[in-house]
Amino acid sequence: EAGVVQSPRYKIIEKKQPVAFWCNPISGHNTLYWYLQNLGQGPELLIRYENEEAVDDSQLPKDRFSAERLKGVDSTLKIQPAELGDSAVYLCASSSSPLGGSGFAGELFFGEGSRLTVL
Amino acid sequence: GEDVEQSLFLSVREGDSSVINCTYTDSSSTYLYWYKQEPGAGLQLLTYIFSNMDMKQDQRLTVLLNKKDKHLSLRIADTQTGDSAIYFCAVYRGDKIIFGKGTRLHILP
Repeated sequence: EAGVVQSPRYKIIEKKQPVAFWCNPISGHNTLYWYLQNLGQGPELLIRYENEEAVDDSQLPKDRFSAERLKGVDSTLKIQPAELGDSAVYLCASSSSPLGGSGFAGELFFGEGSRLTVL
Repeated sequence: GEDVEQSLFLSVREGDSSVINCTYTDSSSTYLYWYKQEPGAGLQLLTYIFSNMDMKQDQRLTVLLNKKDKHLSLRIADTQTGDSAIYFCAVYRGDKIIFGKGTRLHILP
């Protein structure tokens, strides 16, 4: 079974440029998460999807960040324009059960992440 | 809000036991987790414990939960070089999974 796939693995851009990250979750996983991981820090949730619906985007900086999950499978996270402080690893994760739903035990399956460097 | 605290570094000799500690603030956390992150990789769930349990053992891993002190620990027996990684404590509280900053485990020969 294929794991969570993210691309690109690495991206270097100049500030004020746009950037997009793509995530393909594990087949059948309806719940998808985007996390931000700064150097030396734990992952911090940006947005959580249940199917196509963004059910928790309270931590997403909506002035420059956007995300979509068309058709409830793949997802894209976009930053426009990027700032120096956006340099970090962007992790995508998926789970088979909704957060807090029946059968949920909290196992998230993470991709390898997309490392963004803004110059 | 929830706060999950971990020490940042731990050095252990190969073959010894490693004990990684975590404290959390919200006593209503229902599930508590240990995730492992190897260099350049995403996080991988190692084990988890439900809040009504005190201990869980899985091969070389032992998780201890002290609900009174809101303290979670992960013991790795017979630590190997392959155990070198960052270990994240995480707690599930209703609508979110909150991660600590991670403990980097360094294995000494």
